[in-house]
Amino acid sequence: ETGVTQTPRHLVMGMTNKKSLKCEQHLGHNAMYWYKQSAKKPLELMFVYNFKEQTENNSVPSRFSPECPNSSHLFLHLHTLQPEDSALYLCASSQDPQLHYGYTFGSGTRLTVV
Amino acid sequence: DQQVKQNSPSLSVQEGRISILNCDYTNSMFDYFLWYKKYPAEGPTFLISISSIKDKNEDGRFTVFLNKSAKHLSLHIVPSQPGDSAVYFCAASSYLTQGGSEKLVFGKGTKLTVNP
Repeated sequence: ETGVTQTPRHLVMGMTNKKSLKCEQHLGHNAMYWYKQSAKKPLELMFVYNFKEQTENNSVPSRFSPECPNSSHLFLHLHTLQPEDSALYLCASSQDPQLHYGYTFGSGTRLTVV
Repeated sequence: DQQVKQNSPSLSVQEGRISILNCDYTNSMFDYFLWYKKYPAEGPTFLISISSIKDKNEDGRFTVFLNKSAKHLSLHIVPSQPGDSAVYFCAASSYLTQGGSEKLVFGKGTKLTVNP
């Protein structure tokens, strides 16, 4: 399988639940990203990992916890979320530092917090 | 404060005509600009890019123009086709302060509808 794969595609969770989003890339890229897309807002960068090391945390609340065990896998652990956290969560990868072809995005996980 | 702005949330054009999508940015440190296209239920896909040292880049029906003095770029699609109907995101690249990584800053997107 090629490209960036995100699972699950859809997730509904209660505010007291704990869940994890998974992202996997088979492109040999060394940088991976989590973005959040809310309605009528730009894509918001959440976290950046470069060679498995976190290089950016864009003031994300601690109820979102990323994990990058290797350069091919990225997780986003979720706990005690709020309804306003409902959004499309996109994972991306790139052959950092050359962004001339930009990121390759996954299809996203549509998260609904109830 | 939004660094990349797409002020038109939507645009509708007739098939065969030109589509022009606009994007403005505020950060003069941005050195690379990209356009992404997004269909419903899919992630954004890279479309075309331009370096800050150029003012035009063309790829088939798609041309991106960059006006650095105005901090403005535009995407031209000609001729437009119904399959071009999607949300188009403008993005700008800047270096992160640590780790040597670059990050993309996105606009809100413009929904293009090409009518047959």
